Amino acid sequence: EPEVTQTPSHQVTQMGQEVILRCVPISNHLYFYWYRQILGQKVEFLVSFYNNEISEKSEIFDDQFSVERPDGSNFTLKIRSTKLEDSAMYFCASSDMVGEQYFGPGTRLTVT
Amino acid sequence: DQQVKQNSPSLSVQEGRISILNCDYTNSMFDYFLWYKKYPAEGPTFLISISSIKDKNEDGRFTVFLNKSAKHLSLHIVPSQPGDSAVYFCAASALMTGGFKTIFGAGTRLFVKA
Repeated sequence: EPEVTQTPSHQVTQMGQEVILRCVPISNHLYFYWYRQILGQKVEFLVSFYNNEISEKSEIFDDQFSVERPDGSNFTLKIRSTKLEDSAMYFCASSDMVGEQYFGPGTRLTVT
Repeated sequence: DQQVKQNSPSLSVQEGRISILNCDYTNSMFDYFLWYKKYPAEGPTFLISISSIKDKNEDGRFTVFLNKSAKHLSLHIVPSQPGDSAVYFCAASALMTGGFKTIFGAGTRLFVKA
């Protein structure tokens, strides 16, 4: 069964450093998403991406964040200068037109 | 701005009984509703969905009910099994130009006791 994969599973970084979280969505999906879940809190929408551009983003997704689909298979989330409060699980998801989003296993980002 | 609310942070049910998980939403633009199940250290897994044109959708032990006038949906699991113990997220989607924008509730942790 096709699945969304994410790498790395755990990333530790120092405050102020740049991180890139990687995702490989399901191959025939056209819509891609990033979510985050701070420990003990709800899953929060960050951004959706379609046709090589951002289609929706939340207020969390500020100028420190960017997304890219560099090569037609990977979908990346970059945080330019990490803050302590960026520590969270980051989930990538993809969907076709139906709407059911398939989630990856997540990347745990720890900012020290 | 809590557009999707799950007011019960946890629910405990005996094995074999019915589990009822509730969810309320505020935005009438939402037209597609989903339930996801999440185990620790894993991503959310899609469970069942319902379109706003229906009031019930059933898949095995799982049934989702939608009451549009009350902006309320619920997930029924019957009979509940210990393996159902997980966090259940309600999600509401609206189809935007670039795909679905999905807002998640805070989740309800279900404990099914053997």
